[in-house]
Amino acid sequence: DAKTTQPPSMDCAEGRAANLPCNHSTISGNEYVYWYRQIHSQGPQYIIHGLKNNETNEMASLIITEDRKSSTLILPHATLRDTAVYYCIVRLYNNAGNMLTFGGGTRLMVKP
Amino acid sequence: EPEVTQTPSHQVTQMGQEVILRCVPISNHLYFYWYRQILGQKVEFLVSFYNNEISEKSEIFDDQFSVERPDGSNFTLKIRSTKLEDSAMYFCASSVLKNRDRATDTQYFGPGTRLTVL
Repeated sequence: DAKTTQPPSMDCAEGRAANLPCNHSTISGNEYVYWYRQIHSQGPQYIIHGLKNNETNEMASLIITEDRKSSTLILPHATLRDTAVYYCIVRLYNNAGNMLTFGGGTRLMVKP
Repeated sequence: EPEVTQTPSHQVTQMGQEVILRCVPISNHLYFYWYRQILGQKVEFLVSFYNNEISEKSEIFDDQFSVERPDGSNFTLKIRSTKLEDSAMYFCASSVLKNRDRATDTQYFGPGTRLTVL
């Protein structure tokens, strides 16, 4: 699976949009981009995933660049409860394994 | 909304003792996993289980570890003889594996069991 690079930490003001970048410059055509988050040692929580089109659900939006080498997770109106570590993971279509490989993620601090 | 549940939430044990961590995956899911996270470190994959057998395991998952689905609802992780370095949060996860497409097979995690080995 392709490697991802994320900033170690970011701050965001409560009520503002949080834009979390992820670089995956070695991504291949069949690899999906997944985002999970982990709130203070709780179990990782699935947020969203996509292949090449932008995706939106009730939690967030995922913007993938046209060349697919990077993506941005957007939390449109961050709240204090969105303070967490956010993980960007790429996964190969129909790969032999099904494990998730977590990196260090981005620690997002939402401030009042 | 269906959730993965884990018991106990916190387990304290003496070094050398056996522990069993329990998980109830989401009911229609077919693929089950254990991950662990040592304090301050990354979440690490241990093992995946499908169709009543281990599908993949990491180097961490040595002979001291075993997994079992003893009935239709529970999925367990056993550590035979615990070591100090086994102290960690252990997370169970499950996924439905629709259409056998692993890349879009979303894994849902439980809240974790904190294992403390003294």
